[in-house]
Amino acid sequence: NAGVTQTPKFQVLKTGQSMTLQCAQDMNHNSMYWYRQDPGMGLRLIYYSASEGTTDKGEVPNGYNVSRLNKREFSLRLESAAPSQTSVYFCASSDFRGGTGELFFGEGSRLTVL
Amino acid sequence: AQSVAQPEDQVNVAEGNPLTVKCTYSVSGNPYLFWYVQYPNRGLQFLLKYITGDNLVKGSYGFEAEFNKSQTSFHLKKPSALVSDSALYFCAVRDVGGYDKIIFGKGTRLHILP
Repeated sequence: NAGVTQTPKFQVLKTGQSMTLQCAQDMNHNSMYWYRQDPGMGLRLIYYSASEGTTDKGEVPNGYNVSRLNKREFSLRLESAAPSQTSVYFCASSDFRGGTGELFFGEGSRLTVL
Repeated sequence: AQSVAQPEDQVNVAEGNPLTVKCTYSVSGNPYLFWYVQYPNRGLQFLLKYITGDNLVKGSYGFEAEFNKSQTSFHLKKPSALVSDSALYFCAVRDVGGYDKIIFGKGTRLHILP
């Protein structure tokens, strides 16, 4: 049972480049999330999706777009990367309606924007 | 809008002493509350949650947390600290009336001194 899988684990970009972080879960969870972790800032919610076909902004959505491709997959896209987006990104999933409610996290993706 | 506050950036405790990591929250409805731990260069691990029921919740590794509705707090506790408890601890909240949005605090670094 893989849980939450995110790719890539490491990425270096130049300012202005674009990229997509991929996330997939195999737990049949309804809700999926993207967080970023920065020193001293904790985990900040970028976007989340409460169900297939819906997405909502979190605390820090500017500069990002998301796609809930299906129930399993939730991708995060940086259209024009900026140094301020250098961070560790975590994908997570949960299920409050049929599951236990806690978040299950991927291992993280470390992104550096030069 | 929901929010979480962890008022202490760092907590130092001698091994064998009891520890407390503080968390207060703000939601418009009833809260779901969570504690997660992050060890160095690792992902986030679930410790415990409060959904409903008993105000004292027991979790992994001997940790427990007390839900206090009047003080809007959910402090993490352990009767006897171990050096291996040294890590970064995050409190999180979901507003039951909300759309599965889960917000984290900034984290508290716990140092257990041998």
